[in-house]
Amino acid sequence: DAGITQSPRYKITETGRQVTLMCHQTWSHSYMFWYRQDLGHGLRLIYYSAAADITDKGEVPDGYVVSRSKTENFPLTLESATRSQTSVYFCASINGGASNYGYTFGSGTRLTVV
Amino acid sequence: GENVEQHPSTLSVQEGDSAVIKCTYSDSASNYFPWYKQELGKGPQLIIDIRSNVGEKKDQRIAVTLNKTAKHFSLHITETQPEDSAVYFCAAGSGNMLTFGGGTRLMVKP
Repeated sequence: DAGITQSPRYKITETGRQVTLMCHQTWSHSYMFWYRQDLGHGLRLIYYSAAADITDKGEVPDGYVVSRSKTENFPLTLESATRSQTSVYFCASINGGASNYGYTFGSGTRLTVV
Repeated sequence: GENVEQHPSTLSVQEGDSAVIKCTYSDSASNYFPWYKQELGKGPQLIIDIRSNVGEKKDQRIAVTLNKTAKHFSLHITETQPEDSAVYFCAAGSGNMLTFGGGTRLMVKP
């Protein structure tokens, strides 16, 4: 199916473990984004990517790593998970260009670090 | 960078009443202002947007207004229904980057 999909939908992990959240889009959109959503903080940008092999930091990048070897995939890795990284994570994409038509978001991954 | 403030953080209305959510932005270069609706357990979904060359836009029961001079924009929902209950986010930006407001939880009481 066309769209943007995130996996897993739910994940529980232990402090110190490495965990990777997956994001896949079928439109070949050039831009992709990772946000975290916490109560009282809205949507905060973690990392974004303008194209394959081009990534840049957002507002809250510490503790996260991203890669984009293929246009359609944009995984987010927590190298050593901490309790403060318990959150809901959203991936989004947009077809870059002069006209911005807004982001399309995935359904999110709820991550709990215990 | 851009900073977007959104008010109120929570809003409770009676079914059939109107709801208004307001946002202000700081960067005069911003030219695109979308609004997103997030239902429980789902990702935000674009419901309406406005560009800086337009002052108002309507789509059935929802409308957005933009005041570039004052750097504020608003979402208006008329004849609210229980299914309008959700979290709403405003955003502002230019090019491919958006900055989001903190969100408004709208509760429509039947």
